[in-house]
Amino acid sequence: DAGITQSPRHKVTETGTPVTLRCHQTENHRYMYWYRQDPGHGLRLIHYSYGVKDTDKGEVSDGYSVSRSKTEDFLLTLESATSSQTSVYFCAILDGLGNTIYFGEGSWLTVV
Amino acid sequence: GEDVEQSLFLSVREGDSSVINCTYTDSSSTYLYWYKQEPGAGLQLLTYIFSNMDMKQDQRLTVLLNKKDKHLSLRIADTQTGDSAIYFCAERPFGSSNTGKLIFGQGTTLQVKP
Repeated sequence: DAGITQSPRHKVTETGTPVTLRCHQTENHRYMYWYRQDPGHGLRLIHYSYGVKDTDKGEVSDGYSVSRSKTEDFLLTLESATSSQTSVYFCAILDGLGNTIYFGEGSWLTVV
Repeated sequence: GEDVEQSLFLSVREGDSSVINCTYTDSSSTYLYWYKQEPGAGLQLLTYIFSNMDMKQDQRLTVLLNKKDKHLSLRIADTQTGDSAIYFCAERPFGSSNTGKLIFGQGTTLQVKP
């Protein structure tokens, strides 16, 4: 499982509230990613990080921010959750050889 | 732009071979991946193929890559009920070769009938 842990695994929140999802890895991988999965769209990249304090936007970054203050943690924040952000969120890492990309178990978020 | 297309559904009988197809648009893609997702679970990396290869075999899995047609396929031999899942194809465009960003297809649901 490449040592990836996501938390929380399931969350229900109200529209307009802030939400933070955490991705924790134990193997000092440099690259980390946040994707969202929606029916009919596969997975789409939200943001990614290429080191501590180094982040960049993906294709669906509006409404999301990220932070990486230490190598092992990559946080995804929804500043003011909307119903369109109801989704399954996956964290991923790029392995040390640069070949393979492993995913966490996912965080199911429902915004009501 | 970059796009990955997959058929949405495939149904096979247990013991038959399954072939899941994928087309992609970026001819410069460096790696192409296959992931498996079971209900309520994360994505499990099945295999990947580097763009300078035509075929890769790993036990019951065979990946074929046709770069000219930008077509990728995953063949599962002797398909079992435990193979029932959603299968995602993903490309890693050349421009993302250092960052590892992936472009995913919509996923193919494989149904295996006993």
